[in-house]
Amino acid sequence: GNSVTQMEGPVTLSEEAFLTINCTYTATGYPSLFWYVQYPGEGLQLLLKATKADDKGSNKGFEATYRKETTSFHLEKGSVQVSDSAVYFCALKLNEKLTFGTGTRLTIIP
Amino acid sequence: DGGITQSPKYLFRKEGQNVTLSCEQNLNHDAMYWYRQDPGQGLRLIYYSQIVNDFQKGDIAEGYSVSREKKESFPLTVTSAQKNPTAFYLCASSILGASTDTQYFGPGTRLTVL
Repeated sequence: GNSVTQMEGPVTLSEEAFLTINCTYTATGYPSLFWYVQYPGEGLQLLLKATKADDKGSNKGFEATYRKETTSFHLEKGSVQVSDSAVYFCALKLNEKLTFGTGTRLTIIP
Repeated sequence: DGGITQSPKYLFRKEGQNVTLSCEQNLNHDAMYWYRQDPGQGLRLIYYSQIVNDFQKGDIAEGYSVSREKKESFPLTVTSAQKNPTAFYLCASSILGASTDTQYFGPGTRLTVL
């Protein structure tokens, strides 16, 4: 079956630090890949996506590259802000269904 | 504004009672989904529907039921058969037939069984 494995949290960083949240997947086919963000008490918002190998998704300073050879879609940001504190979910989409990782809680300290 | 609404935001239920969670979308999306979120477990798919009057079970459908009488609406009933219903429930929708397309999520309903 399909599955997504992402970095265990929680992750705590100082403001302006570099962020990486690892995500790897297994899939029976060629999925689209997504990062969603969830702020406290809210639903999920799409952060970025990539639909084929070597595509780079980017938004709000976050980036992730679809690496087929390593089945990975790691999330990066060069300089995090306090407002980036949230839970981040990696997901794959295949046959109209999303499969999510367990989420990584990120806390940024001023 | 286009979007997905879920109501209520917080819901309390006594053990043994059925309860229905509302989900409405005005995005003209064909497909709608219900997920359950528990701490440390990510999101798990309960039911989904790709067309009016049709729906399929997801990974954890036991103890839940749905209906899709209108394109805009996809209510979820949590029945008394659901053994551990306390969770955060999220509804989503998307365009059908585009595997690259995004699922859009509502704000969620937090259900607590007393």
